[in-house]
Amino acid sequence: QQPVQSPQAVILREGEDAVINCSSSKALYSVHWYRQKHGEAPVFLMILLKGGEQKGHEKISASFNEKKQQSSLYLTASQLSYSGTYFCGTEGKDSSYKLIFGSGTRLLVRP
Amino acid sequence: DAGITQSPRHKVTETGTPVTLRCHQTENHRYMYWYRQDPGHGLRLIHYSYGVKDTDKGEVSDGYSVSRSKTEDFLLTLESATSSQTSVYFCAISDSGLAGETGELFFGEGSRLTVL
Repeated sequence: QQPVQSPQAVILREGEDAVINCSSSKALYSVHWYRQKHGEAPVFLMILLKGGEQKGHEKISASFNEKKQQSSLYLTASQLSYSGTYFCGTEGKDSSYKLIFGSGTRLLVRP
Repeated sequence: DAGITQSPRHKVTETGTPVTLRCHQTENHRYMYWYRQDPGHGLRLIHYSYGVKDTDKGEVSDGYSVSRSKTEDFLLTLESATSSQTSVYFCAISDSGLAGETGELFFGEGSRLTVL
């Protein structure tokens, strides 16, 4: 089953923060996050395993609560380049290497 | 950039005709995936492969078949295309992560298919 992402869309002013959530009904082994700009392919941001927290190469970090089967992506001091659609992908504990994506969260950062 | 190419990049076909999309990689990655992307649905997994001649179904596999006779090529076939299969198709590749998880997915540029 597809993980559920929220919100579906968010509009920010440059410099503001945002949180994107991803929730699954299945026990998870890992969670991936990707960003896709219009007309382009999705690009990898990070992978999280077993309750770990990771930091991306920008002011982007994420957490993974294995017990709640939830992950959150944190974008701080957003930049115009952060605009795009963010997808979480989940790998179930019973379905290795089968990555299922949520329907995405559209993020628009305005000057 | 990961060496992954999709062909054709654009195709217009008629209902009932067979269509084959090709994904070719030069990275020797073990895992290959086909996703379709439609507005409001995100990326939906069609089929994936975990080795040569080893494939499995995804979320939306009806009407699609795949084959992987070589590590570098993963073919997606629509035996008889329908208008509901109009979509953008993405191929992706990955290897195992350090902890055995699915590693980073590298996506191809996508193939836009229109079925009239």
